[in-house]
Amino acid sequence: KAGVTQTPRYLIKTRGQQVTLSCSPISGHRSVSWYQQTPGQGLQFLFEYFSETQRNKGNFPGRFSGRQFSNSRSEMNVSTLELGDSALYLCASSRDGKSWELFFGEGSRLTVL
Amino acid sequence: DQQVKQNSPSLSVQEGRISILNCDYTNSMFDYFLWYKKYPAEGPTFLISISSIKDKNEDGRFTVFLNKSAKHLSLHIVPSQPGDSAVYFCAASIPNTGNQFYFGTGTSLTVIP
Repeated sequence: KAGVTQTPRYLIKTRGQQVTLSCSPISGHRSVSWYQQTPGQGLQFLFEYFSETQRNKGNFPGRFSGRQFSNSRSEMNVSTLELGDSALYLCASSRDGKSWELFFGEGSRLTVL
Repeated sequence: DQQVKQNSPSLSVQEGRISILNCDYTNSMFDYFLWYKKYPAEGPTFLISISSIKDKNEDGRFTVFLNKSAKHLSLHIVPSQPGDSAVYFCAASIPNTGNQFYFGTGTSLTVIP
């Protein structure tokens, strides 16, 4: 079956702009989590959505937001981009809220100039 | 504050030998631990997990050991193969937090043929 699909794969933005990233989970998966990966910090949890509701949120500023649609697809948005937002943004899906195994997409590489 | 730490950024091992990857954590509330493997330009893939009620879990060439008193876990790969060359992340979760995982910064393993 198809894996987790993230779009776009690469994008370049300038400071102050906003960006929207999309994630399509594996069919049947209802939980979608977002992580930010940077060289020095590893993977940092952003938020998790389950059945269209945000269940958990990491320690990121309010500029980072997300949502999940009825078909489980999810989007995350970053407003007023800063240079430090340059990172690989990974989306992961799982069957339910606590299935232990996350299936990751290939990520969206964001560069902020 | 990094609650899950992988203090060795890289490790090189000869093919056929044992690879030992280490991970330390600070939060005693963690009850589940996982290892993920990541190849370049791909998302992380689940490798093996262990519950805090166990001290060892084995899956083929991969064994994870958990020492709760030392807040330490390790991943053993025996025998190591060139295809094991990848970045390995350990991750931990707290009960009742859905799929929110705390990841380490990763260890890049190189298996030399």
